[in-house]
Amino acid sequence: AQKVTQAQTEISVVEKEDVTLDCVYETRDTTYYLFWYKQPPSGELVFLIRRNSFDEQNEISGRYSWNFQKSTSSFNFTITASQVVDSAVYFCALRARKGTASKLTFGTGTRLQVTL
Amino acid sequence: GAVVSQHPSRVICKSGTSVKIECRSLDFQATTMFWYRQFPKQSLMLMATSNEGSKATYEQGVEKDKFLINHASLTLSTLTVTSAHPEDSSFYICSAAPTTYEQYFGPGTRLTVT
Repeated sequence: AQKVTQAQTEISVVEKEDVTLDCVYETRDTTYYLFWYKQPPSGELVFLIRRNSFDEQNEISGRYSWNFQKSTSSFNFTITASQVVDSAVYFCALRARKGTASKLTFGTGTRLQVTL
Repeated sequence: GAVVSQHPSRVICKSGTSVKIECRSLDFQATTMFWYRQFPKQSLMLMATSNEGSKATYEQGVEKDKFLINHASLTLSTLTVTSAHPEDSSFYICSAAPTTYEQYFGPGTRLTVT
């Protein structure tokens, strides 16, 4: 069974603050993919990143960075110098690599509110 | 590239009626499409996996006869909510998978049953 836990239900920060969204996963598969999606108020899911379980290098994309720690089964997401436009719900998701279906297991999401 | 559309984006229907939601992959073919349901302030829950030309695979607890899924072509899957009731009001999101490793989401359909 697969499980994704996002313990932070809601986070509120002031613009320009850094914020880290936590994601802890459980899987028995040795190979898997991890994802982060952003869901703004419009509802559409915006893909942010996909990480293969074999690749533990951290990644940085502009103000976004991701810290993948296989030893602790965590895939945390940090937004540096947050902006109001970052306000959204962020979902972490997991997919096993085995099998023919790309079935995703989502965490419960973290609602980020960035205020001026 | 990799655009998935859903129609309609919003629909309001009366209790007891049926409503059909379309999911189309616009610039790629998808052998597999997925249907998710999201209640307010909750996560996405997979309802069913739809493979072109075969019957959909439903997740535990999802009524097959209530949520009819048809994946008639490599670019179109439809979800029909039959005899809708207010508790079916939700945000329905589809995704399309051109390969086993990729999945692209549609913009979602907000269903309100009055």
